Amino acid sequence: AQSVSQHNHHVILSEAASLELGCNYSYGGTVNLFWYVQYPGQHLQLLLKYFSGDPLVKGIKGFEAEFIKSKFSFNLRKPSVQWSDTAEYFCAVFFNAGNMLTFGGGTRLMVKP
Amino acid sequence: KAGVTQTPRYLIKTRGQQVTLSCSPISGHRSVSWYQQTPGQGLQFLFEYFSETQRNKGNFPGRFSGRQFSNSRSEMNVSTLELGDSALYLCASSKGTSVGTGELFFGEGSRLTVL
Repeated sequence: AQSVSQHNHHVILSEAASLELGCNYSYGGTVNLFWYVQYPGQHLQLLLKYFSGDPLVKGIKGFEAEFIKSKFSFNLRKPSVQWSDTAEYFCAVFFNAGNMLTFGGGTRLMVKP
Repeated sequence: KAGVTQTPRYLIKTRGQQVTLSCSPISGHRSVSWYQQTPGQGLQFLFEYFSETQRNKGNFPGRFSGRQFSNSRSEMNVSTLELGDSALYLCASSKGTSVGTGELFFGEGSRLTVL
């Protein structure tokens, strides 16, 4: 079965620290990749997406992600986090072969001021 | 521009009952998908509709069903409720023809508690 793994379930950082959240998926042919974020009390919203082209994609609020095909990974990064980045982050992979969108388990990020 | 609207926001049911949840997508969006969110299982895909046709269904029992109307509004139904069905049910709409080809816009969810 196609699966998506986010290995870090909880991350605590201080403001200005760098962030990298891991996302790995099982082999499944061509994929479309997404990162969604859920801020406290708000609904899920798109941070960034990758369909093709430059494997380094930039999203909103200074986030970026790099697609490494050989590692089946799509890690999310931000050079310097802010307290307002406290949220839950979800990686999602659309496996074209199965026409199925699969979410990772999510990573709760807490940024201490 | 109004977002995705889900009703009801909260509901409590007992085992064996059935429940119907409603989702109104953003105007102009024809793709609607549903997800179950629980602390243990995370976000799991339930089904996807486009132009009143179910495009795909996740790995859920037949007790979970849905439909989409000609105005793109969608409903999902869960029959013979079990305790494990307690969850936040999220609906998302998209401009694209498939959940995987564009940005999903999520509603705030319907929180179902089964006693």
